[in-house]
Amino acid sequence: DAGVIQSPRHEVTEMGQEVTLRCKPISGHNSLFWYRQTMMRGLELLIYFNNNVPIDDSGMPEDRFSAKMPNASFSTLKIQPSEPRDSAVYFCASSFSAGRAIQYFGAGTRLSVL
Amino acid sequence: DQQVKQNSPSLSVQEGRISILNCDYTNSMFDYFLWYKKYPAEGPTFLISISSIKDKNEDGRFTVFLNKSAKHLSLHIVPSQPGDSAVYFCAAGTQGGSEKLVFGKGTKLTVNP
Repeated sequence: DAGVIQSPRHEVTEMGQEVTLRCKPISGHNSLFWYRQTMMRGLELLIYFNNNVPIDDSGMPEDRFSAKMPNASFSTLKIQPSEPRDSAVYFCASSFSAGRAIQYFGAGTRLSVL
Repeated sequence: DQQVKQNSPSLSVQEGRISILNCDYTNSMFDYFLWYKKYPAEGPTFLISISSIKDKNEDGRFTVFLNKSAKHLSLHIVPSQPGDSAVYFCAAGTQGGSEKLVFGKGTKLTVNP
């Protein structure tokens, strides 16, 4: 299996621009998670989906952030408008929800907002 | 409010010696714990886990110990190898409930040849 695939790997944009991060989960997994990693806050959960339905978005920082999962094999995290404080590494992870589900992570997208 | 804490940002050990990474948690509802390993420019990868019904789980050179009364777990790596140099994250969750995992901030382990 190819694992969780994220694109792009790196994104550099200017403040105010829209940014879209993409994720393809492992085939057969039915839960998908978006995380953000920063030096200050570590690895924090933004939102997670189960069977394409958002279950918990309490970690989404503000209305500028939105996430969608139109089907079982694709999800997006959008930031509009982007701000310099959004600069971080964003990870997507997937799992098969059954008891002690292990989450498998993608390689991440490093976002720099200038 | 950090529910999972890794108080040592870094740890340095000699090759062949034991590495001990520590993790504390505050939420008594957590009953499932995991360790992840992360190399630079890669995502975290699952290493080992333990359920609260156990106090020890072993997988090769890696052993995780759980002390529920102290709300403390540790990861032992014996013997340590240079390839073990990475950032190690502790994570906690609840079985049968939300799938959310709460992660610590990580400990950077350096194993010197």
